Amino acid sequence: AQKITQTQPGMFVQEKEAVTLDCTYDTSDPSYGLFWYKQPSSGEMIFLIYQGSYDQQNATEGRYSLNFQKARKSANLVISASQLGDSAMYFCAMRAPNSGNTPLVFGKGTRLSVIA
Amino acid sequence: EPEVTQTPSHQVTQMGQEVILRCVPISNHLYFYWYRQILGQKVEFLVSFYNNEISEKSEIFDDQFSVERPDGSNFTLKIRSTKLEDSAMYFCASSDWAYNEQFFGPGTRLTVL
Repeated sequence: AQKITQTQPGMFVQEKEAVTLDCTYDTSDPSYGLFWYKQPSSGEMIFLIYQGSYDQQNATEGRYSLNFQKARKSANLVISASQLGDSAMYFCAMRAPNSGNTPLVFGKGTRLSVIA
Repeated sequence: EPEVTQTPSHQVTQMGQEVILRCVPISNHLYFYWYRQILGQKVEFLVSFYNNEISEKSEIFDDQFSVERPDGSNFTLKIRSTKLEDSAMYFCASSDWAYNEQFFGPGTRLTVL
């Protein structure tokens, strides 16, 4: 069975600073995809970044990057130059195997608060 | 930019009543999903749908739930006889092929009284 663990229920970061949100995963499938979603207080789920298990490079999308350490089964999200609008819940999710209609399995989330 | 839409944004119903939650996925997408999120908890998978049939469903998706794609654009989730514990945010999502991200709609908040 697949499992996602996010150990930080809440994080604080100063505006303009970088922050790392932790995510570890567990799967026996060699093919998997890792996703990060942002959920602001309004409730919608916003896709941020994706990393495939066979991707050689760490994924980056603007201020978001994914620190993918396959041997440690971790896929931490790094947000650079935090902004007040980054305050939200952040969910790590996995799909394994990374094919077909495989559903996403989500972690419990980390609430990020950006302080001015 | 194309987006997934859901209606209504908020539904209040009495226990035992039937509800239908509606979703319009992104037009060229082929894979559709329903998830739910009980307040303050993580997002949980309910069901996936492809080629006009259910591909996979979770243990949450019991006989009280059903999905349908009635007209080629809408994708609906029906709960036949709602229970208090069905109160949650229900998200529809779609993706264009198996390897890409799933795009989520804004959600329908269902409150069962």
